[in-house]
Amino acid sequence: GAGVSQSPSNKVTEKGKDVELRCDPISGHTALYWYRQSLGQGLEFLIYFQGNSAPDKSGLPSDRFSAERTGGSVSTLTIQRTQQEDSAVYLCASSMGGGQYFGPGTRLTVT
Amino acid sequence: QQQVKQSPQSLIVQKGGIPIINCAYENTAFDYFPWYQQFPGKGPALLIAIRPDVSEKKEGRFTISFNKSAKQFSLHIMDSQPGDSATYFCAAGLNMGRRALTFGSGTRLQVQP
Repeated sequence: GAGVSQSPSNKVTEKGKDVELRCDPISGHTALYWYRQSLGQGLEFLIYFQGNSAPDKSGLPSDRFSAERTGGSVSTLTIQRTQQEDSAVYLCASSMGGGQYFGPGTRLTVT
Repeated sequence: QQQVKQSPQSLIVQKGGIPIINCAYENTAFDYFPWYQQFPGKGPALLIAIRPDVSEKKEGRFTISFNKSAKQFSLHIMDSQPGDSATYFCAAGLNMGRRALTFGSGTRLQVQP
C-alpha cells in the first residue's frame, strides 16, 4: 500500500518568506508526527497529532512554526518569516500505535 | 534526561562482518526502543523495535540486545552486506512509541565488499 507522502520534495525560499510543507499519512493511521533533520544530524521532534486530541507542540522551536491537521488526515507545517537556520529536511511520520513510518521528507533551503 | 547517546559515529566493516551499534538512555520511563535505517535522500525506515521486558529480539539478520539495568541497547547486523551501508539511528519513546521519539545522533555504516 501507499506509504507516507510529502510535498514538495524540495523547497528553496528567501529569508523572511513563509513556507508550507504538506504530509499525507498512511490511510487509517491516527497519529502523525513532524520531525526536523539538520545536515548529518539526528531527528528533532517538532509536533505530534493523535486523533482529535490537542496536539503536542512541545518540540516547536519558535512561534514562527505551526502545524495543523485537517480531517484527521493531511497535515501542513507552516514556517513563517523563514530564517537560514530553518534549513533542514522536514520529515513526517504516521502511526497506528507503535511503529512510526516516515515519509521521504521535504528538503528546505533558506537563502 | 531525554537524551539518547549513540556510538560510534561511523563504522567500517568488511562484508560478512558483524557491526555493532550502541545506544544509552537516561529516562527510565522509556518503554519502546526502535532502530531505523536511512539511505541518502530517503526517510528513515523502521528496522526493528524492542520493549524493555525483552532482552533480545531478532528479525532476519538484525538483532537488538537490551540491558535494562545498564540502560543500554545495541543493534547487531549479522553477515553484513554492502547493501547494508546506510545511516542507522536508535530511538526511545514513551507509551509504546505512541509519543514523540527521541533519536540518537546516528551511525554511518560502510560495509566494504
